Amino acid sequence: SQTIHQWPATLVQPVGSPLSLECTVEGTSNPNLYWYRQAAGRGLQLLFYSVGIGQISSEVPQNLSASRPQDRQFILSSKKLLLSDSGFYLCAWRLRGLDYGYTFGSGTRLTVV
Amino acid sequence: QKEVEQNSGPLSVPEGAIASLNCTYSDRGSQSFFWYRQYSGKSPELIMFIYSNGDKEDGRFTAQLNKASQYVSLLIRDSQPSDSATYLCAAPRSNYQLIWGAGTKLIIKP
Repeated sequence: SQTIHQWPATLVQPVGSPLSLECTVEGTSNPNLYWYRQAAGRGLQLLFYSVGIGQISSEVPQNLSASRPQDRQFILSSKKLLLSDSGFYLCAWRLRGLDYGYTFGSGTRLTVV
Repeated sequence: QKEVEQNSGPLSVPEGAIASLNCTYSDRGSQSFFWYRQYSGKSPELIMFIYSNGDKEDGRFTAQLNKASQYVSLLIRDSQPSDSATYLCAAPRSNYQLIWGAGTKLIIKP
């Protein structure tokens, strides 16, 4: 069966510090991978998605970046965090095709102070 | 611009009653829809997928799709306090992405 791991679960970082969140998927090959952010009480905002190694599509211009160094590994990074980067970050995977939903990781709650 | 819309709620339903959650969508070409449940502080989890017109039942959950009227609904029978959560509706935007509604907060009152 497929599983998705995301860490850390919580993170408190000062403004201006770097960020690295990691997500790995097991039990499937060549998944579509996604990074979402959810601000408190708000909906899901797609940040990045990837359809293959080294292929990253950005949905929102900002100080975040993403990388996919391996087929089942997806990394979200920032060189300098802003207060507005606080939120609940979710990694997800999905098979290709219209009939497949997302499976989300457990999420990382990031607080920038 | 494809859109999926939901009433943000909160929708308050007494325990044991039927909770009815609705979602409308703008793209007549949308073929499939997903319902996710998100507990406070947790990640969304997929609870229902519906592709064809009509009803699809899974335990206490029934998804209803009406393509002519462009709405999809989720019924929860015999509502329990553990059903209290935010319910998200989603439809494919492309082979790669889903487009999400903002979610409806459901509160089941004991």
